[in-house]
Amino acid sequence: DSGVTQTPKHLITATGQRVTLRCSPRSGDLSVYWYQQSLDQGLQFLIQYYNGEERAKGNILERFSAQQFPDLHSELNLSSLELGDSALYFCASSPNTGGEETQYFGPGTRLLVL
Amino acid sequence: GDSVTQMEGPVTLSEEAFLTINCTYTATGYPSLFWYVQYPGEGLQLLLKATKADDKGSNKGFEATYRKETTSFHLEKGSVQVSDSAVYFCALSPRGGYQKVTFGIGTKLQVIP
Repeated sequence: DSGVTQTPKHLITATGQRVTLRCSPRSGDLSVYWYQQSLDQGLQFLIQYYNGEERAKGNILERFSAQQFPDLHSELNLSSLELGDSALYFCASSPNTGGEETQYFGPGTRLLVL
Repeated sequence: GDSVTQMEGPVTLSEEAFLTINCTYTATGYPSLFWYVQYPGEGLQLLLKATKADDKGSNKGFEATYRKETTSFHLEKGSVQVSDSAVYFCALSPRGGYQKVTFGIGTKLQVIP
């Protein structure tokens, strides 16, 4: 158990809909990262938040947005969903934001868009 | 930009065989290098890491050495077990005040008894 929790575990929805994925980092970790894992794209970094502020951005679509709240939990919002958004979405956390830090991954949310 | 290249799987080995999974990288400066492992149905977890040239990371019998001259971080284990069956990801992270980890495509290892 990494100490990172993600809800829900599974999500089935339809094209055009909007969903929110939630992540609670390990106790004391200030950084939260979001990743998308799909069969054809592998593991793609989406976005990082550090202590409530956006810190780094990866291959995140404009239809996707995220935020980190004062209690450090984070939400990833996916809107106007398309079939190709079906994937595993992982959240990870680390104590600060140093490049040498280990990231601790949650169990993931499996999203299926029908 | 930064990139990580690792051998595509799947790799199938018999129990007690020697394992090598190759990983090479392209990055500016001196990144930190990682191997993460993903067991079926779980999230990724750190297997080992190295933060500077010639460092050797090791854990659970796995080893990898940071080779700056060949920009490589190959994963090795002398004798694999069935329980090592998983997907292995090589990754790098630049130095500096932010962490934008770049992962390789992942190599699936299947160990058969």
